[in-house]
Amino acid sequence: QKEVEQDPGPLSVPEGAIVSLNCTYSNSAFQYFMWYRQYSRKGPELLMYTYSSGNKEDGRFTAQVDKSSKYISLFIRDSQPSDSATYLCASPNSGGSNYKLTFGKGTLLTVNP
Amino acid sequence: KAGVTQTPRYLIKTRGQQVTLSCSPISGHRSVSWYQQTPGQGLQFLFEYFSETQRNKGNFPGRFSGRQFSNSRSEMNVSTLELGDSALYLCASSLFLVAAGVGSYEQYFGPGTRLTVT
Repeated sequence: QKEVEQDPGPLSVPEGAIVSLNCTYSNSAFQYFMWYRQYSRKGPELLMYTYSSGNKEDGRFTAQVDKSSKYISLFIRDSQPSDSATYLCASPNSGGSNYKLTFGKGTLLTVNP
Repeated sequence: KAGVTQTPRYLIKTRGQQVTLSCSPISGHRSVSWYQQTPGQGLQFLFEYFSETQRNKGNFPGRFSGRQFSNSRSEMNVSTLELGDSALYLCASSLFLVAAGVGSYEQYFGPGTRLTVT
């Protein structure tokens, strides 16, 4: 079982829709969670960073973590065509020198005007 | 503040050759990580350097190596290139402040080097 699983999609929604992107993880040691956005032929861009369970909001984006079910979500409100990209969830191994990001495979999102 | 820069942006090599990729982290960042991204495997961790020391290594063959210089700039090298090494190679930098708690593990990626092996 991969440590971070993500539905690859693709996901296609009309402009203005609420988008829900989801990941599950298996390693209980994961404490921090990140969402990256990657446009075609670009490097990933850090969108959201969360620690512990609960919600974190930043503009149209809300990141949600449920540690009891090992489930993380990213919600995009009022989606725009410029949100069309691949969204990647990731978690760093916690602590000391054991540091790397484990990524999901990414979900390709298209927002249609 | 300037972001992570990677050079070159594109490379075409033939099998058996070797290649060196370069990464300059965000000013003040001492941790540099390298990732390989392919359509089939997604983003996979190669290695991480902090203060010129490799602290973590992913599950890649010894043909993949790297180093970090005193100014935190990093290079990765792939020897004896194979067709399967064709990928986007991404460098990421981080402050990685262990004692700082939340906000210290964020990694910022460069645009990547797209390597094509023919």
